[in-house]
Amino acid sequence: DAGVIQSPRHEVTEMGQEVTLRCKPISGHDYLFWYRQTMMRGLELLIYFNNNVPIDDSGMPEDRFSAKMPNASFSTLKIQPSEPRDSAVYFCASSLGAGSYNEQFFGPGTRLTVL
Amino acid sequence: QQPVQSPQAVILREGEDAVINCSSSKALYSVHWYRQKHGEAPVFLMILLKGGEQKGHDKISASFNEKKQQSSLYLTASQLSYSGTYFCGTGRPAGGTSYGKLTFGQGTILTVHP
Repeated sequence: DAGVIQSPRHEVTEMGQEVTLRCKPISGHDYLFWYRQTMMRGLELLIYFNNNVPIDDSGMPEDRFSAKMPNASFSTLKIQPSEPRDSAVYFCASSLGAGSYNEQFFGPGTRLTVL
Repeated sequence: QQPVQSPQAVILREGEDAVINCSSSKALYSVHWYRQKHGEAPVFLMILLKGGEQKGHDKISASFNEKKQQSSLYLTASQLSYSGTYFCGTGRPAGGTSYGKLTFGQGTILTVHP
């Protein structure tokens, strides 16, 4: 079975440009998570969805960040406009059942570089 | 609140043992352990639930001490493949927006040399 799929795997963009990261969770999973990982801040949760509904977006750093989940098999994380400090690895993860009580499966990540 | 892991880094020789601790300022309800190899995604190791038993498989096991609000990961007879960064993640009880998510510690870098 395919795991969590993310695209693109690498993204290099210039400051001010819009960036869209994509995620396809494991089929049947009802929770989806977006994480950001940097050396300075570690692995931090940005937002998570349950049954396509955003539940907690308290980790979204600024209004420049937005996330959507239009259906059970697709989610996007958008940064507009992007800034150099947004450079990080962004992971999408999914779980069957609440992520606090069930294994989370991580995608391979998108390495974002903003110049 | 982010759980605190200790130590921040461990260097071992093959066959040696290690303990990684994860402490929380809040009551623990669930603790997850993940391992991340360089350039890869975190991979689930195990989950411990409040009131549950110590878990383990192969030579990696973990404990959950509710009173101390702490979990420990035990790696025995370490192998080269154990190298990576280990993260603990803590979960909250049902009710409230925090229920579905984990808060991860800062990670412990484990290096195993031949």
